[in-house]
Amino acid sequence: AQSVTQLGSHVSVSEGALVLLRCNYSSSVPPYLFWYVQYPNQGLQLLLKYTSAATLVKGINGFEAEFKKSETSFHLTKPSAHMSDAAEYFCAVSLTPSGYSTLTFGKGTMLLVSP
Amino acid sequence: DAGVTQSPTHLIKTRGQQVTLRCSPKSGHDTVSWYQQALGQGPQFIFQYYEEEERQRGNFPDRFSGHQFPNYSSELNVNALLLGDSALYLCASSFQGAPNSPLHFGNGTRLTVT
Repeated sequence: AQSVTQLGSHVSVSEGALVLLRCNYSSSVPPYLFWYVQYPNQGLQLLLKYTSAATLVKGINGFEAEFKKSETSFHLTKPSAHMSDAAEYFCAVSLTPSGYSTLTFGKGTMLLVSP
Repeated sequence: DAGVTQSPTHLIKTRGQQVTLRCSPKSGHDTVSWYQQALGQGPQFIFQYYEEEERQRGNFPDRFSGHQFPNYSSELNVNALLLGDSALYLCASSFQGAPNSPLHFGNGTRLTVT
């Protein structure tokens, strides 16, 4: 069984500040991990994914995440927040790197960016 | 290149009624998955269709059923609607021949049950 825990339902940062969104996972097998972003009234857009290659994964819009097996974590970071980053972010785990098997999502973290 | 399209975008139904939601996958994709996203929650997997058959199913009652057509489009049907079925229903598509390609999500159908 797999599960994802996202710490903090809401995270507030100032524009230009570091963004850190936390994700911890539980998986009985080596996991594939994903971060998705959801803007209001839209579907999910893939930011980045970890598929057992490099542990530091770079994604779109300046986001990156580091896979730490010892901590069972896959935290999402961005050095400098932009107003356009305000959205809801979901961490997800899967048994395969694509749509072969299902995604198990966390409850999401709403990122609020203030001027 | 059209992405995943879902219809309708919004829907209001009454308790006990039945509803059908529709999804057209991204061009070239042959697998469709459906997710339910309740307010304030992450999406939950309902089921997945490939080659017109339900291949996997999440923890949802039999009131939730689906279908995939030869052109790979899909429908989600929910019978005997409950207030708790109110949610955003997301469709996602993928291609079995590209194991490293990610899911592509549609913008969803917002279902409100009154």
